[in-house]
Amino acid sequence: DSGVTQTPKHLITATGQRVTLRCSPRSGDLSVYWYQQSLDQGLQFLIQYYNGEERAKGNILERFSAQQFPDLHSELNLSSLELGDSALYFCASSPTSGIEQFFGPGTRLTVL
Amino acid sequence: GQQVMQIPQYQHVQEGEDFTTYCNSSTTLSNIQWYKQRPGGHPVFLIQLVKSGEVKKQKRLTFQFGEAKKNSSLHITATQTTDVGTYFCAGRRIDYKLSFGAGTTVTVRA
Repeated sequence: DSGVTQTPKHLITATGQRVTLRCSPRSGDLSVYWYQQSLDQGLQFLIQYYNGEERAKGNILERFSAQQFPDLHSELNLSSLELGDSALYFCASSPTSGIEQFFGPGTRLTVL
Repeated sequence: GQQVMQIPQYQHVQEGEDFTTYCNSSTTLSNIQWYKQRPGGHPVFLIQLVKSGEVKKQKRLTFQFGEAKKNSSLHITATQTTDVGTYFCAGRRIDYKLSFGAGTTVTVRA
């Protein structure tokens, strides 16, 4: 158990819909990262927040957005979902930028 | 697309043999991290390398960061069944952007 929690564990939805994935970092960790892992694309870095502010942006689509709240939990919003968005979405946290990341168990999103 | 290339994609190893996985970046990195993901699990941090030419060891695992800070390698000696999984490198650029390699999936023949 890494101390990072993600909800829900599984999510099944239809194309065109919008979903929100939630992540609670380890106690005291200021950085939160979001990743997408699919079979054909490997582990893709989406975005990083540090203490409520966006720190780095990776291959995140315009249909996706994220935020980190004052209590440091983070949400990843996925809208206008497409079949290709089906993947495992991981959240990770770390105390400061650039060192060890602790990954949550992931949310498996299935878009039908 | 991937800015950090990792090879090989698959590594089938006889128990007891050694193997190496390699990462190459198109840009200079500020640091590189290595993770292991067991089947059905989440990535788990192994190590971070920061300095040019740095070498770190963890029991049977040896990690190396190239002199130009553009490449890295993970060498495992005397492979065991517990080494099964996918090993990812993750390079962090100076602008904080992270790029993960596609991973090397290791299977072990007993």
